[in-house]
Amino acid sequence: EAGVAQSPRYKIIEKRQSVAFWCNPISGHATLYWYQQILGQGPKLLIQFQNNGVVDDSQLPKDRFSAERLKGVDSTLKIQPAKLEDSAVYLCASSLETGGNTEAFFGQGTRLTVV
Amino acid sequence: AQSVSQHNHHVILSEAASLELGCNYSYGGTVNLFWYVQYPGQHLQLLLKYFSGDPLVKGIKGFEAEFIKSKFSFNLRKPSVQWSDTAEYFCAVNAAGNMLTFGGGTRLMVKP
Repeated sequence: EAGVAQSPRYKIIEKRQSVAFWCNPISGHATLYWYQQILGQGPKLLIQFQNNGVVDDSQLPKDRFSAERLKGVDSTLKIQPAKLEDSAVYLCASSLETGGNTEAFFGQGTRLTVV
Repeated sequence: AQSVSQHNHHVILSEAASLELGCNYSYGGTVNLFWYVQYPGQHLQLLLKYFSGDPLVKGIKGFEAEFIKSKFSFNLRKPSVQWSDTAEYFCAVNAAGNMLTFGGGTRLMVKP
């Protein structure tokens, strides 16, 4: 079974630039998550999609972050403009459905460095 | 809002030593509990999960965890660690369909 695919693996940008990350979830998984993991901390949920609808984006800094999942499959997460404190690993995960008792499968992540 | 605390940020053990990693959560209702592991250079993987039933849950690679509702805890254990268990371990909680919330992680180093 193919896992969650993310690209790029690494990205270095200057502050105030924009950046986009891409995620392809496991086939058939309706729920997709984007997490931010700052060095030394646990992953923090940014946004959760059920198919192409947003379930939870309460922790997404909407002044600079945006995400979409137009056809209910792939998703992109964008930061514009980036700040130094956005340096982190951005993890995408997917699960069969939304709900407490479903396992989330994670991708390798994209390591973003903002200089 | 739910939160998860992992008491130990760094743990160093020798091979064959026993392991117990603490995890406490704050939420008074029904919860689903998870332990994830991240080996160096790899993605997060599920070690074990608790949804209901027997509070002692067995996972992969000899790990187990015990859910103690009265203590709001879900500690991870392994009787005898191996060098290959060197990794970062994350406890996570999902309460009543809310977001999956992670603890800060515990970095385990096992000395050969």
